[in-house]
Amino acid sequence: KQEVTQIPAALSVPEGENLVLNCSFTDSAIYNLQWFRQDPGKGLTSLLLIQSSQREQTSGRLNASLDKSSGRSTLYIAASQPGDSATYLCAVGEFGGTSYGKLTFGQGTILTVHP
Amino acid sequence: GAVVSQHPSWVICKSGTSVKIECRSLDFQATTMFWYRQFPKQSLMLMATSNEGSKATYEQGVEKDKFLINHASLTLSTLTVTSAHPEDSSFYICSARRHQETQYFGPGTRLLVL
Repeated sequence: KQEVTQIPAALSVPEGENLVLNCSFTDSAIYNLQWFRQDPGKGLTSLLLIQSSQREQTSGRLNASLDKSSGRSTLYIAASQPGDSATYLCAVGEFGGTSYGKLTFGQGTILTVHP
Repeated sequence: GAVVSQHPSWVICKSGTSVKIECRSLDFQATTMFWYRQFPKQSLMLMATSNEGSKATYEQGVEKDKFLINHASLTLSTLTVTSAHPEDSSFYICSARRHQETQYFGPGTRLLVL
């Protein structure tokens, strides 16, 4: 059974800092990995999707890397802003069979960026 | 594109009543829809996977007779919480996927059972 762990559980940084969020998973046979953002009481916003054959994806100030063999992914946020404050969720997509595309989520990292 | 809506966005009901939550893909046909539950300060847990026209597949520990899922069309899936109790209070989120693409998530429905 796939297990996804995110570290740290919470992070508070001053505006402008570069930061790294970590995600690890136990089963390396994955289809893809996604990073989501969730604001309080809201649904999910997809940030980056990395296919299993890819090593990284970039979107603006965000960069996500994937190391399947070690079961790790990192989300790098450059020049953080107060508007980046949210919960960041990592989710691993299963490879195939009846579980194809099933997402297993980590517990999330609560990020607070203060002015 | 790829917008998913949920209705209602929040609902308060008395213990013992049933509540229906709708999930719609607005601009695409969803061959598969997923239902998740999220308790406060916890992550999303998959409840069930439904494919249009077939019975839903429930995750271990999820009571299929309590959480009725219907995926009657390629744009609509419903989750009915039957005989709701306070412990069913949670944030319910659906997602929709067409063929082998990524999942698109709805905005969620907050359920409070008194």
